[in-house]
Amino acid sequence: ETGVTQTPRHLVMGMTNKKSLKCEQHLGHNAMYWYKQSAKKPLELMFVYNFKEQTENNSVPSRFSPECPNSSHLFLHLHTLQPEDSALYLCASSQAGLAGANQETQYFGPGTRLLVL
Amino acid sequence: AQKITQTQPGMFVQEKEAVTLDCTYDTSDQSYGLFWYKQPSSGEMIFLIYQGSYDEQNATEGRYSLNFQKARKSANLVISASQLGDSAMYFCAMRSFQGGSEKLVFGKGTKLTVNP
Repeated sequence: ETGVTQTPRHLVMGMTNKKSLKCEQHLGHNAMYWYKQSAKKPLELMFVYNFKEQTENNSVPSRFSPECPNSSHLFLHLHTLQPEDSALYLCASSQAGLAGANQETQYFGPGTRLLVL
Repeated sequence: AQKITQTQPGMFVQEKEAVTLDCTYDTSDQSYGLFWYKQPSSGEMIFLIYQGSYDEQNATEGRYSLNFQKARKSANLVISASQLGDSAMYFCAMRSFQGGSEKLVFGKGTKLTVNP
């Protein structure tokens, strides 16, 4: 089974819609992340959750609202988005806080391609 | 602030040949980690290889090796015996630990095309 799954894989929404992206990790990790990947730009970190607590909000607009109900699930709630929010949204997880490379490596899901019309 | 620079927007290589993808980094941290990820057209970021700043030997994982030159702040990825399936975007990233959370800073990537 894939370590990190994301649904939906593709999403088209209008600017007035409300939708949610879902991420689930099956690796037993304790940290989860949301990244945004726009065309011709480096990946941008959006949010970090450690042990279900949000530890990072990288100046993300409030129209993006994360939720982490447990260490295996992460959501990104979307409302009143703008066309410039169209991008690939990637979820990742890691075993943060332990020594050693393998535990600290972030493993990514396949992403959700979002198009805002 | 941490920064990753990948100067090659695109690279071409013949199948079965070796190719080097460049990565330079900037950090004031004494301890850091460097990663390479592969992103096929499907979108998933696939972890390839990791190098710790205190590791004395260059990391290797199968056909992937990391040419780590600490004094020059470079961490180039070498892919040996290229295969058609290696065609993808390749991202260099650096781990930093700030404010109680681990972050990855990514470069802009290099698009590798393997020709038959």
